[in-house]
Amino acid sequence: DADVTQTPRNRITKTGKRIMLECSQTKGHDRMYWYRQDPGLGLRLIYYSFDVKDINKGEISDGYSVSRQAQAKFSLSLESAIPNQTALYFCATSGGPSGSNQPQHFGDGTRLSIL
Amino acid sequence: AQSVTQLGSHVSVSEGALVLLRCNYSSSVPPYLFWYVQYPNQGLQLLLKYTTGATLVKGINGFEAEFKKSETSFHLTKPSAHMSDAAEYFCAVSEGYGNKLVFGAGTILRVKS
Repeated sequence: DADVTQTPRNRITKTGKRIMLECSQTKGHDRMYWYRQDPGLGLRLIYYSFDVKDINKGEISDGYSVSRQAQAKFSLSLESAIPNQTALYFCATSGGPSGSNQPQHFGDGTRLSIL
Repeated sequence: AQSVTQLGSHVSVSEGALVLLRCNYSSSVPPYLFWYVQYPNQGLQLLLKYTTGATLVKGINGFEAEFKKSETSFHLTKPSAHMSDAAEYFCAVSEGYGNKLVFGAGTILRVKS
């Protein structure tokens, strides 16, 4: 089984709909991250969480919200989806002391299309 | 603020040839540097990382990278390309706190037979 699981893997929806992307991990890591990937732009950080009570905005948080339901679960919501949120979304985790530069571990991504 | 520049959005090499993927970074503090690879329909997989110590870092699948502070570079190399190396490669930098990563735009590597 994958250490970082994202659901759904693919989603097509319409403008204005509310969407939730879910991420769960079995690595026991405290830190979790949401990124979006767009061609030619690499990955950009949307939100990150150091623990259940600590959530922070990333580079491109407008139009998104997150919830850290438990150490192992971190969900990303689009309250009212718009076409330019069409992208590939990745969840990642990292462990060890903050600043220890342990690598991030990625899920397989959710491909989201908004019509 | 940190940033990463990957020179060349697409690189094409012949099987058996040298692979060189370029990465330059900017950081206000000593950086931590990473190379990730992404195969189609998959997430990112860590190839190698530089934190401190030896500036030549060896990773998986025969890849290595050299940290050159004077050139603010962390180029990825592999002596002999294999067809299975075809993928997209990302360079990333972290300043440490929170392990947040800033990614480059990525380089798609094509390997010709």
